[in-house]
Amino acid sequence: DVKVTQSSRYLVKRTGEKVFLECVQDMDHENMFWYRQDPGLGLRLIYFSYDVKMKEKGDIPEGYSVSREKKERFSLILESASTNQTSMYLCASSSTGNGYTFGSGTRLTVV
Amino acid sequence: GENVEQHPSTLSVQEGDSAVIKCTYSDSASNYFPWYKQELGKGPQLIIDIRSNVGEKKDQRIAVTLNKTAKHFSLHITETQPEDSAVYFCAASKYSSASKIIFGSGTRLSIRP
Repeated sequence: DVKVTQSSRYLVKRTGEKVFLECVQDMDHENMFWYRQDPGLGLRLIYFSYDVKMKEKGDIPEGYSVSREKKERFSLILESASTNQTSMYLCASSSTGNGYTFGSGTRLTVV
Repeated sequence: GENVEQHPSTLSVQEGDSAVIKCTYSDSASNYFPWYKQELGKGPQLIIDIRSNVGEKKDQRIAVTLNKTAKHFSLHITETQPEDSAVYFCAASKYSSASKIIFGSGTRLSIRP
């Protein structure tokens, strides 16, 4: 069964901390995406990557960065966590001709 | 940038009745329109999609329709069942199924027994 695995289901961090959210896929997909999900706002694209070491900004990249050193792993980094980054974070991967496969999400709370 | 609007935000229907969720998109270059279903505690899962060269697509109890002129597309679920209760997201892309897609705000569908 193909999978996108997000390292943590729930995470609580303090304001100002550097936070790493990890995502690993086992489908050899070229493309990987990070979205955040907030009530009434749907899923908003933070960053995406079409290849190793490649990244592109999505619609809401401010306060975030990403890293893709290996094809199967795409990390989302919150350089200095703030309370307005409390959200559900969803990672997805895809390949040509196929739609997205999502992970189960990481619910991040910044206090 | 591209925008996708989705209505209603919540929908409650009697089991066995039909449910309809509607979306509009802003970018006329959009050519791929997927629908995702998110069950509690899980990530969204693709349930059906349609491309701009097709006006309607059906898969058992679910169907999607696309009106390119009006930039509208809709999800229709017939003979609803309790397991249809979930949050549904429409989306649009002007690239491909594997590329960047823009999501609507979601519809929470509840099926009343």
